[in-house]
Amino acid sequence: EDQVTQSPEALRLQEGESSSLNCSYTVSGLRGLFWYRQDPGKGPEFLFTLYSAGEEKEKERLKATLTKKESFLHITAPKPEDSATYLCAVQARGSNYKLTFGKGTLLTVNP
Amino acid sequence: GAVVSQHPSRVICKSGTSVKIECRSLDFQATTMFWYRQFPKQSLMLMATSNEGSKATYEQGVEKDKFLINHASLTLSTLTVTSAHPEDSSFYICSASKASGSRYEQYFGPGTRLTVT
Repeated sequence: EDQVTQSPEALRLQEGESSSLNCSYTVSGLRGLFWYRQDPGKGPEFLFTLYSAGEEKEKERLKATLTKKESFLHITAPKPEDSATYLCAVQARGSNYKLTFGKGTLLTVNP
Repeated sequence: GAVVSQHPSRVICKSGTSVKIECRSLDFQATTMFWYRQFPKQSLMLMATSNEGSKATYEQGVEKDKFLINHASLTLSTLTVTSAHPEDSSFYICSASKASGSRYEQYFGPGTRLTVT
């Protein structure tokens, strides 16, 4: 069974204080690993897809990396508007594109 | 872009009634649509996967007679919660994957908050 574990569950940062979120996974043949951002009462917003170990992708203050066992979402000099829950999900090959989600990391950035 | 809409955004219904939720891909054709359920402070749990023109595939433990899914076109899927009960109150979110380009990415709707009284 595919599993995704995200840590920490919650993270409080001061504005400008860089940090990383972790996503550990076990999957029977990884097709892709996905990062989403979810604001309260909203649906998840797509951020990144990573397909193979060593791959990196960046978007503004966010950078996602992937190894064979985990992914990191690095947040550089965060701003209060980066506050949200960040979700990680994996998709296995032959899964009809099904996503298995972790429980998320609630990020709060204080001004 | 890849915009997915849901309607309604919020619905309150009485126990025993049925509620229909619509999910539309606005600027792309979706071969596959997914329905998720999310409880407070929990992650998304996949309920079912639907492909246009065929029957939905339900996850283990999801009652297919209670949660009716129809994927009538490449831009529309509906979820009907039949004979709703208070325990069905939840946040329901749909997603869609594109028919062309990257089929692996899912784009989510804004969600529907269902409250059964």
